[in-house]
Amino acid sequence: EDQVTQSPEALRLQEGESSSLNCSYTVSGLRGLFWYRQDPGKGPEFLFTLYSAGEEKEKERLKATLTKKESFLHITAPKPEDSATYLCAVQTLNDYKLSFGAGTTVTVRA
Amino acid sequence: EAGVAQSPRYKIIEKRQSVAFWCNPISGHATLYWYQQILGQGPKLLIQFQNNGVVDDSQLPKDRFSAERLKGVDSTLKIQPAKLEDSAVYLCASSLETGFAETQYFGPGTRLLVL
Repeated sequence: EDQVTQSPEALRLQEGESSSLNCSYTVSGLRGLFWYRQDPGKGPEFLFTLYSAGEEKEKERLKATLTKKESFLHITAPKPEDSATYLCAVQTLNDYKLSFGAGTTVTVRA
Repeated sequence: EAGVAQSPRYKIIEKRQSVAFWCNPISGHATLYWYQQILGQGPKLLIQFQNNGVVDDSQLPKDRFSAERLKGVDSTLKIQPAKLEDSAVYLCASSLETGFAETQYFGPGTRLLVL
C-alpha cells in the first residue's frame, strides 16, 4: 500500500528563520508529487507538482525538491503569512487518486 | 475565474440523521472529486467522477454514503444514516480532466459535526 509520511508534525519558526519540511513516500511507481498549502478553515491550495528525481520548483519563499524516496519543502526567510499546514500528496503509475500525508503545521512568529 | 463552490459551509446533525453536501466545480472541469478530511489527517479520496461517470469509488462506504453528478457539472454527496465517526471536513475538488498529474483545485469544504 502507498504510504506518505510528513515530518515534523509541527514547526514553530521565528520570522526570517529558514527551515525544511520532509515528505517521504513508499509507492510502487511515482507519477507525480504534489505540495499544497492549507489555511485554517479553508481547502488546500495548490503549490507545486514534481515529476522526477532531481527536479526543483520555486515560488516566492518556497522551494520544493524531489529525490527517489522523499521531497523537501524549503521555506527561506519565512514571514508570518507563511503560517499554514503544508500537505504533500503522491500519485502513482497505477491510478489517478492522490494519497495525502497528514501535513506539517508551520507557525511563523513575528 | 471562480473557484470550486461548496455548501453548506457548516452542518451539525445528530447520529442516524441524514445530510447532503453540494459542490459546483470550476467551469469546464470534467473531473470532480470528493474527499474526507478528519481532524489532524490529510484528505482521503471518497469518490471521483469523470463527467457523469464514476472513475473510482473504492474508498466510499457505500452502505451509508452515496454521491451523484447529474449532467456532468454539480455534484451532491449524501450520508444516511450518519455516525459519530463521520465528523470531518468534506472537500470537493475539480480538475480539467482525469489524467496523470492533473492539478486538483479544492473548494473551502463543508465541516460536519455529528453529535
